[in-house]
Amino acid sequence: NAGVTQTPKFRILKIGQSMTLQCAQDMNHNYMYWYRQDPGMGLKLIYYSVGAGITDKGEVPNGYNVSRSTTEDFPLRLELAAPSQTSVYFCASGDSYEQYFGPGTRLTVT
Amino acid sequence: SQKIEQNSEALNIQEGKTATLTCNYTNYSPAYLQWYRQDPGRGPVFLLLIRENEKEKRKERLKVTFDTTLKQSLFHITASQPADSATYLCASYSGAGSYQLTFGKGTKLSVIP
Repeated sequence: NAGVTQTPKFRILKIGQSMTLQCAQDMNHNYMYWYRQDPGMGLKLIYYSVGAGITDKGEVPNGYNVSRSTTEDFPLRLELAAPSQTSVYFCASGDSYEQYFGPGTRLTVT
Repeated sequence: SQKIEQNSEALNIQEGKTATLTCNYTNYSPAYLQWYRQDPGRGPVFLLLIRENEKEKRKERLKVTFDTTLKQSLFHITASQPADSATYLCASYSGAGSYQLTFGKGTKLSVIP
């Protein structure tokens, strides 16, 4: 049981490039989430999904897109990367109140 | 929207003492609060959840209280150990029926041997 996995662990992007952060969970959870964490700013919700085919915006969705075609996978797409998207990204899943987090992806945009 | 405040950015405590961390919430009165632990370079790990009708909840050396009058939760670690050093996050959902979990900025606890 791997829990929540994220790839890649680290990535450096140039301004204007695009990329997809991968997230998968093997706990059969309905709910999945994407957060970003900046130093001193706490975790901010980007997007979330309550089931396959259903997604919704969180607090800071601009510059990101998501899809949820299966229960297991919830990729986060960055289009036209900007320096403001330099952050650590966490994916999480859950089926009750508590959430289970992945190890994170550290992204730098230069 | 919900606002979660953890007033102390950092807390240093001597090994063996009880660490007490504070979480205050404004706006929406949550039905429950959650506490997570985050180690450097890792994702948060769920520790405890306390409901509004529970005044206190315990798990091993951890104790959480919930005071709806003060709009506050206290998180205690008794007999603290250097291995307890981490950042502790308080969180609640943003409103009734909300799927959005709002986190505080966290308190970094350092337990000094």
